[in-house]
Amino acid sequence: DTGVSQDPRHKITKRGQNVTFRCDPISEHNRLYWYRQTLGQGPEFLTYFQNEAQLEKSRLLSDRFSAERPKGSFSTLEIQRTEQGDSAMYLCASSFSAGGLYNEQFFGPGTRLTVL
Amino acid sequence: KNEVEQSPQNLTAQEGEFITINCSYSVGISALHWLQQHPGGGIVSLFMLSSGKKKHGRLIATINIQEKHSSLHITASHPRDSAVYICAVGMDSNYQLIWGAGTKLIIKP
Repeated sequence: DTGVSQDPRHKITKRGQNVTFRCDPISEHNRLYWYRQTLGQGPEFLTYFQNEAQLEKSRLLSDRFSAERPKGSFSTLEIQRTEQGDSAMYLCASSFSAGGLYNEQFFGPGTRLTVL
Repeated sequence: KNEVEQSPQNLTAQEGEFITINCSYSVGISALHWLQQHPGGGIVSLFMLSSGKKKHGRLIATINIQEKHSSLHITASHPRDSAVYICAVGMDSNYQLIWGAGTKLIIKP
C-alpha cells in the first residue's frame, strides 16, 4: 500500500470557478478526514467521514464547500465559486477504527490551491 | 488561550545541536501526535504517543500526561531536519485533531 494519495497536488484557478479535489485513503481505513492549512498556520479541521457517512462538519465548511465519500473509499472535496480566501493547502488523512476510540491518522501530501 | 500551545514558535540552531520543541495542552487526550512538514509539502507523522517515551533514529518524543506536556527532541541535528514541527492531540470524544501552531526549525550547516 502506498499510503494516502491526493490529486491534484497543485491547482491554480480563477476566482469564481469550481474546483474538485480527490483523496484516496489507505485501503482498509474506514475513517477519512479533510483539513485546511493556510500559509503560516496549523491545519484546521473541515470534515470527517466514517465509511460513507459524513459525521462531522466544521463551521469553516461554508455552503460553497461539499465533501462526499460515496462508496466509503475515496473522497472528493468540491469548492464552488472559489474566493481568494480559499487559497490554502487541503490535507486529507485516514485512519482505521474498530470501536470509537481514537486511532492514528495518516496524512496525504495535500493539494495546494491558489485562487487568482 | 489555544488548547494546544507550542514553543518556541521559531528556532534556529547550528548543525549538531540538541533540539527541544515543547507542546502543552489543556484538554484530556487519548493520544498526541508529533508531525513534520517541509516547506510546501505534506504532513508526515513522526510519532503518536499516549504515555512515556518513543525513539526513532535521532528523534525522541516524551509525554507527561499528568503535566499535560510533551517534548520532541532531535539529537545531532542536521540541515535536512529543517521543517515545521507540529504537535496535535486527539481525543476519544472528538474525532478531529486539535493542532498546535507549529515550530519552524532551521538548522544551519
